[in-house]
Amino acid sequence: GENVEQHPSTLSVQEGDSAVIKCTYSDSASNYFPWYKQELGKGPQLIIDIRSNVGEKKDQRIAVTLNKTAKHFSLHITETQPEDSAVYFCAAMDEKLTFGTGTRLTIIP
Amino acid sequence: EAGVAQSPRYKIIEKRQSVAFWCNPISGHATLYWYQQILGQGPKLLIQFQNNGVVDDSQLPKDRFSAERLKGVDSTLKIQPAKLEDSAVYLCASSLGGGKNEQYFGPGTRLTVT
Repeated sequence: GENVEQHPSTLSVQEGDSAVIKCTYSDSASNYFPWYKQELGKGPQLIIDIRSNVGEKKDQRIAVTLNKTAKHFSLHITETQPEDSAVYFCAAMDEKLTFGTGTRLTIIP
Repeated sequence: EAGVAQSPRYKIIEKRQSVAFWCNPISGHATLYWYQQILGQGPKLLIQFQNNGVVDDSQLPKDRFSAERLKGVDSTLKIQPAKLEDSAVYLCASSLGGGKNEQYFGPGTRLTVT
């Protein structure tokens, strides 16, 4: 089955700086890669996704890149704000979603 | 639009007891998922329903876990008997259809087995 690894497990950045979270996957059949944000006491919420026929996608301060050859994808958050503090999960989908282990992002004011 | 509803939000039981969780998906969503999220890990799919039929239950421990979605709307997940390792957050999600349709998650039920 699919295996998704995510790094780092924790990340602290100064407000206004950029944050980068990286994931690798094992199943070359995976073709959909969503990113979720989970705040304390809430369920995960989709923030951006990318499909295998696209190398990069951007939505305001959030961007995702995908390298299918290397089987890795990354989340980039620019101009970070305190409300970006949360746990972020990457996921890969062939027939079902397989999640990474999460990154706890802390924005330091 | 109302989101995915789950109850209870918290539950504490002793090992070997039984417990049930309830989920009401977003109206009109045909696909419903139950995930288990152990502390410090990502969610893991337990079972996926399309309307009232099971699409994938390959990771559901069927000796103790069961789930149903009888009328194709709300769903119940049951654990009987519970083990210590079942302590986790149980998340319900729904989507318009399966595949790459966006999944909307409920707030989860935090289960503690003592």
